[in-house]
Amino acid sequence: NAGVTQTPKFRILKIGQSMTLQCTQDMNHNYMYWYRQDPGMGLKLIYYSVGAGITDKGEVPNGYNVSRSTTEDFPLRLELAAPSQTSVYFCASRRTGGDNEQFFGPGTRLTVL
Amino acid sequence: GESVGLHLPTLSVQEGDNSIINCAYSNSASDYFIWYKQESGKGPQFIIDIRSNMDKRQGQRVTVLLNKTVKHLSLQIAATQPGDSAVYFCAEKRSYNTDKLIFGTGTRLQVFP
Repeated sequence: NAGVTQTPKFRILKIGQSMTLQCTQDMNHNYMYWYRQDPGMGLKLIYYSVGAGITDKGEVPNGYNVSRSTTEDFPLRLELAAPSQTSVYFCASRRTGGDNEQFFGPGTRLTVL
Repeated sequence: GESVGLHLPTLSVQEGDNSIINCAYSNSASDYFIWYKQESGKGPQFIIDIRSNMDKRQGQRVTVLLNKTVKHLSLQIAATQPGDSAVYFCAEKRSYNTDKLIFGTGTRLQVFP
């Protein structure tokens, strides 16, 4: 299994531009998450999904949108990029039931200028 | 607001010594705690978890201790190795009916020869 994969690895955006961060997992996990990590800080939950067709807001959802049309994919959309969205974005997934271990992707480093 | 925090932002230890990383949490309703390790440029990696009905849990070279009386969590790493150098995060799940994890700000562990 490839686990959780994210693309792109790096991206620079201008203020007001939009982009989609891609996340895919091949472990058939129902639960998926998007976090952002600012320099020297812990992770903050943006959005999460408990299964295809179901999404919910986390701690810091403003400025982002998500969709979950398939079990494998959980893209994160930035519509009007702002400097405050400069961060490293991590996608994670976990299986239903049992332990709560989340498996993380390698991250996308986004800079908004 | 309520948060998960860490006492020491940086911990330096000599190779072979034991390391103790501490974490304070403020929500007495939290029922599940996880420690993650994050190496530079990578996503967080699960180390060990513990439920609130336990005081101690051991893994390979790692032990997590939970003191619910003072809302304190610690990660002990035995015989610390250079490969243990990373940032360590504690995270809590605040109730049984939520899937959200709240992360602390992290402690950097530096291992020197």
